[in-house]
Amino acid sequence: DGGITQSPKYLFRKEGQNVTLSCEQNLNHDAMYWYRQDPGQGLRLIYYSQIVNDFQKGDIAEGYSVSREKKESFPLTVTSAQKNPTAFYLCASSGTEYEQFFGPGTRLTVL
Amino acid sequence: GNSVTQMEGPVTLSEEAFLTINCTYTATGYPSLFWYVQYPGEGLQLLLKATKADDKGSNKGFEATYRKETTSFHLEKGSVQVSDSAVYFCALSRSGAGSYQLTFGKGTKLSVIP
Repeated sequence: DGGITQSPKYLFRKEGQNVTLSCEQNLNHDAMYWYRQDPGQGLRLIYYSQIVNDFQKGDIAEGYSVSREKKESFPLTVTSAQKNPTAFYLCASSGTEYEQFFGPGTRLTVL
Repeated sequence: GNSVTQMEGPVTLSEEAFLTINCTYTATGYPSLFWYVQYPGEGLQLLLKATKADDKGSNKGFEATYRKETTSFHLEKGSVQVSDSAVYFCALSRSGAGSYQLTFGKGTKLSVIP
């Protein structure tokens, strides 16, 4: 079945550590996105990529980094520069339509 | 800039009650509009969409009509079930700054009690 997978489902980070969240899709979509979800805040766009080897900052990119070396993969690194990283992170992808398909999410907690 | 405003929750309804979740938007150009649903601990699923004025999106008994004159896209369902308990997000596609970007409302939590 086609879809988006994210791993791990839960992630714990100590302060000062960088962590990388995985996102893989087999939908053959060109565009991929990372969102952050906080309670009562809706979803906010961190980074997006419309083609391989190209990506753009979203609304809240500070403290995050991404890469897009393969069409199927769009990993997100939460760096130690991100002051409040505890949140639910969602990856999405889209094809030729505006509709975005979402993965199941990764819940990151800073200890 | 673009923005989406949803009615604040939580909303609690009895089974078989009528549901309305209000959504209004501010946007330049002619955005597409969406309703997404999120069940506890999961990602978002597209519920319905409308791409131009007066379009009606529908799915699983839910409906929403793209009203350009009132810049609204209210979600309705005639008879809710316990399984409809979830968080509902209204969203619009941005035009101009990157065709693929979505702007989301803050979400409305719906609880349906038997």
